[in-house]
Amino acid sequence: SQTIHQWPATLVQPVGSPLSLECTVEGTSNPNLYWYRQAAGRGLQLLFYSVGIGQISSEVPQNLSASRPQDRQFILSSKKLLLSDSGFYLCAWKYGESDTEAFFGQGTRLTVV
Amino acid sequence: QQPVQSPQAVILREGEDAVINCSSSKALYSVHWYRQKHGEAPVFLMILLKGGEQKGHEKISASFNEKKQQSSLYLTASQLSYSGTYFCGTEPTDSWGKLQFGAGTQVVVTP
Repeated sequence: SQTIHQWPATLVQPVGSPLSLECTVEGTSNPNLYWYRQAAGRGLQLLFYSVGIGQISSEVPQNLSASRPQDRQFILSSKKLLLSDSGFYLCAWKYGESDTEAFFGQGTRLTVV
Repeated sequence: QQPVQSPQAVILREGEDAVINCSSSKALYSVHWYRQKHGEAPVFLMILLKGGEQKGHEKISASFNEKKQQSSLYLTASQLSYSGTYFCGTEPTDSWGKLQFGAGTQVVVTP
């Protein structure tokens, strides 16, 4: 069966510090991978998605970046965090076909102080 | 473009019905529906495909009007467990792999 791992679960970081959130998927190959951010009480904002290794689509211009160094690994990074980067970050995967559901990781709650 | 959801919030008594709407400005391959409990990850409810096929939850129904790029989720005879935030997600035909979500509809079911 397929599983998705996302860590850490919670993170408190000072303004200006770097960020690295990692997401890995097991039990499948060539998944579509996604990073979403959810501000308190708000919707799911698509940040990045990837349909293959080295293929990253950015949806929101900001100080975040994403990389997919391996087929089932998706990393969200920042060189210098801003207060506005606080939120609930969710990684998700799905098969490429349009008739398949997305599976979400348990999320990382990031607080920038 | 993110899909647009309405209403933003709805309060129901157990047993009442509600409809949540989702619309997109783009032609779609599919519409997804998820429910999120506070502090948790979203959970899949249903997917509606171009061509009329549906897959998902047995007790919650939905419709998809492909021509209008609109979908509706029907909460019938609501239960306390239906409380949460409902999101629609869309996969447009012009951006393969892209899955965007609306702002969500908060549903509160009271006894």
